[in-house]
Amino acid sequence: GENVEQHPSTLSVQEGDSAVIKCTYSDSASNYFPWYKQELGKRPQLIIDIRSNVGEKKDQRIAVTLNKTAKHFSLHITETQPEDSAVYFCAASGDRNNNDMRFGAGTRLTVKP
Amino acid sequence: SQTIHQWPATLVQPVGSPLSLECTVEGTSNPNLYWYRQAAGRGLQLLFYSIGIDQISSEVPQNLSASRPQDRQFILSSKKLLLSDSGFYLCAWAPGQGSDTQYFGPGTRLTVL
Repeated sequence: GENVEQHPSTLSVQEGDSAVIKCTYSDSASNYFPWYKQELGKRPQLIIDIRSNVGEKKDQRIAVTLNKTAKHFSLHITETQPEDSAVYFCAASGDRNNNDMRFGAGTRLTVKP
Repeated sequence: SQTIHQWPATLVQPVGSPLSLECTVEGTSNPNLYWYRQAAGRGLQLLFYSIGIDQISSEVPQNLSASRPQDRQFILSSKKLLLSDSGFYLCAWAPGQGSDTQYFGPGTRLTVL
């Protein structure tokens, strides 16, 4: 089955700096890669996703890149703000019905004002 | 639009007591449904998923069970809770065939004493 590894486990940046979170996956058949943001005590919320037919996707300050050859994908947050502080999870899925989605262990991002 | 509900929001139960957590989805039909558990400060562990009424797949053998008596209702149960069952239980749904994104409910925080 799929195995997703996520690094780093914690990340602290200064407000305005960029943050990068990286994930690797094991199953070359995986074709869908979402990123979720979870604030303390709240549910994970989808913030961006990418499918295997593209290499990069951007939404305002958030971007995701995918390297299928190397089987890794990354989340990039530019111009970080204190409200970006949260735990971020990557995930990978290859089944058409999404019954095999596997999550990374999460990255706790702290943005210091 | 689709909405996912979970109740109760919080629960404190003694060891050995039974458990019933409920999840319902509105605004869609024949969704895929999922139960996850998140231990404090940890990642998401998939417990069960369902692609239809009375169709349940278990990911992790333990003292929990799941049922789907109606199309948009998913129930997580236990006959006897263990201390290790404490955690944040999240229900999620995804559209049927052809779509991958999972959307999470607000969660139930369970403390077993």
